[in-house]
Amino acid sequence: EVQLLESGGGLVQPGGSLRLSCAASGFHFTTYAMTWVRQAPGKGLEWVSGISGSGTSTSYADSVRGRFTISRDNSKNTLYLQISSLRPEDTAKYFCAKDGGGGRPYADNPGELGSWGPGTQVTVSS
Amino acid sequence: DIQMTQSPSTLSASVGDRVTITCRASQSISNWLAWYQQKPGNAPQLLIYKTSILESGVPSRFSGSGAGTEFTLTISSLQPDDFATYYCHQYNTYSHTFGQGTKLEIK
Repeated sequence: EVQLLESGGGLVQPGGSLRLSCAASGFHFTTYAMTWVRQAPGKGLEWVSGISGSGTSTSYADSVRGRFTISRDNSKNTLYLQISSLRPEDTAKYFCAKDGGGGRPYADNPGELGSWGPGTQVTVSS
Repeated sequence: DIQMTQSPSTLSASVGDRVTITCRASQSISNWLAWYQQKPGNAPQLLIYKTSILESGVPSRFSGSGAGTEFTLTISSLQPDDFATYYCHQYNTYSHTFGQGTKLEIK
């Protein structure tokens, strides 16, 4: 059974940093591209970043490019999101998600999001 | 970035109704579109991918169609468990985007 569990969220001041982690189990981690999605309180889903299975290809939403860095450690079956220069508008629940394996236009880019973790809350406030 | 526009934002319907949610892309995304269902306090769940392929375990009353820039999610006969928020998601480009969501409410 696929399991994803995010951690590392918390309360941080504007301008601060956090590293979010997503521990994966139940599948061959290296094979699958992974994605971070966030959801501000009471709002919709926002795609944040994606990474290929090897970790060599990454992509970002315009709203976070230059401030957030996605990475993965395939030896530890763990996905990361380093979030820096945080702003109040970054306050959200952050979800990690696994590529569903149903096909995609680019081999090194995630496709549909087949499995999700429960999320970790990040609150940016002074 | 590709913009995804869902309509309606809110939909009131009754058990047994047939409902359709529309998602429009600002440019062609071929058939690289997925639909998710989210209930309050929970992570989203994949319903449909590649426009019309039903995810394993999803009831057959859910269906998807479309191509290019216009896509629809249809629920053929609403059940009590279907009242939730639905999102479309394009993955045609390296930067993905979601629609803003459609909240399906009980009339």
